[in-house]
Amino acid sequence: GQQVMQIPQYQHVQEGEDFTTYCNSSTTLSNIQWYKQRPGGHPVFLIQLVKSGEVKKQKRLTFQFGEAKKNSSLHITATQTTDVGTYFCAGHNNDMRFGAGTRLTVKP
Amino acid sequence: GAVVSQHPSWVICKSGTSVKIECRSLDFQATTMFWYRQFPKQSLMLMATSNEGSKATYEQGVEKDKFLINHASLTLSTLTVTSAHPEDSSFYICSARGEGGWPTEAFFGQGTRLTVV
Repeated sequence: GQQVMQIPQYQHVQEGEDFTTYCNSSTTLSNIQWYKQRPGGHPVFLIQLVKSGEVKKQKRLTFQFGEAKKNSSLHITATQTTDVGTYFCAGHNNDMRFGAGTRLTVKP
Repeated sequence: GAVVSQHPSWVICKSGTSVKIECRSLDFQATTMFWYRQFPKQSLMLMATSNEGSKATYEQGVEKDKFLINHASLTLSTLTVTSAHPEDSSFYICSARGEGGWPTEAFFGQGTRLTVV
């Protein structure tokens, strides 16, 4: 069945540094979604990528979908303490499977 | 955005009893609902996928007789943990997705923290 791998598992950065998390699917996806989960909270939808090679930006966040629609990345420029949380990708076909998540901590 | 309401947000029950968790889509018709389990500091593990009016599809290793899923209407799915044991203690979360129209992405309930004592 479909598997979604996500790396790194943890990332600790100094405030102002950049951050990137990567996802790779074992199968071609119809779309990929990104979620953020704060400690103690539930995942909150960030964005959906559908097209091959698609790039979307939300302020300091840049999301990319690979040409083969099997990999994706989330890049945060100049991290802030408010970016703390776990970022999950979710590969979508008939069902939706999550990557392991990348826990981001930011040192002020 | 779409709203998915999950209830209860937390529950403590005695070992051997059953617990029902409800997941409702408030402003759209959820043709598909997903149930996940999340252990502390881990990712969301898909337990089952349910489509309205049909039996749920369970992931390998998930006991269908222990985790009963019902999706009887387009706005409600329930997960019943039967004969709960301490190892069932976890964070359970549902997500709902519309079909063909809106929304195309899945929206999550607030989650239910189950503690079995």
